[in-house]
Amino acid sequence: AQRVTQPEKLLSVFKGAPVELKCNYSYSGSPELFWYVQYSRQRLQLLLRHISRESIKGFTADLNKGETSFHLKKPFAQEEDSAMYYCALSPSGNTGKLIFGQGTTLQVKP
Amino acid sequence: GAGVSQSPSNKVTEKGKDVELRCDPISGHTALYWYRQSLGQGLEFLIYFQGNSAPDKSGLPSDRFSAERTGGSVSTLTIQRTQQEDSAVYLCASEGILNTEAFFGQGTRLTVV
Repeated sequence: AQRVTQPEKLLSVFKGAPVELKCNYSYSGSPELFWYVQYSRQRLQLLLRHISRESIKGFTADLNKGETSFHLKKPFAQEEDSAMYYCALSPSGNTGKLIFGQGTTLQVKP
Repeated sequence: GAGVSQSPSNKVTEKGKDVELRCDPISGHTALYWYRQSLGQGLEFLIYFQGNSAPDKSGLPSDRFSAERTGGSVSTLTIQRTQQEDSAVYLCASEGILNTEAFFGQGTRLTVV
């Protein structure tokens, strides 16, 4: 079955600490993976996708096919990073038809 | 407007009533998606429209749910005979022809009492 798992509902770190938001997926083919972010009172927006290999707002994510993971990392968390983060998988290459994880709330404390 | 617009922002309805939720996609976007976000759940795909093709209804949870897209633009999601478990935030997203990114609306929060 196609599935995205984000094991942590809440991740709380202090400002300046490293952050790693975990995402594991279950998919038999070559998936396309995304991280979406929703800041307080804002709409859901794309943060990054694995094929672009970009670093957005200091965040990076590497697709590890062996471990079927796509963890989101940032070396030094900022308070403005506090938000809900969703990992998502596109099974068909369709970037809008996505299977989402349940989300992780990142709380960055001052 | 520049973004995906959904209306109403909030809707409270009585169990058993029908509701219609509206989505105005970004102008020129050919693809339109509906998602549902229930309390404590991730986002759940409902339905997908692409141009004039038949919609992908594979995510609709029951036959009480339907959606249409008129003129390739505005979409309406209809829930008939609402149940309490239908309470959720319903999100709409649209995507341009290059298929690089889906842009989400602010959502409609539906509460069935």
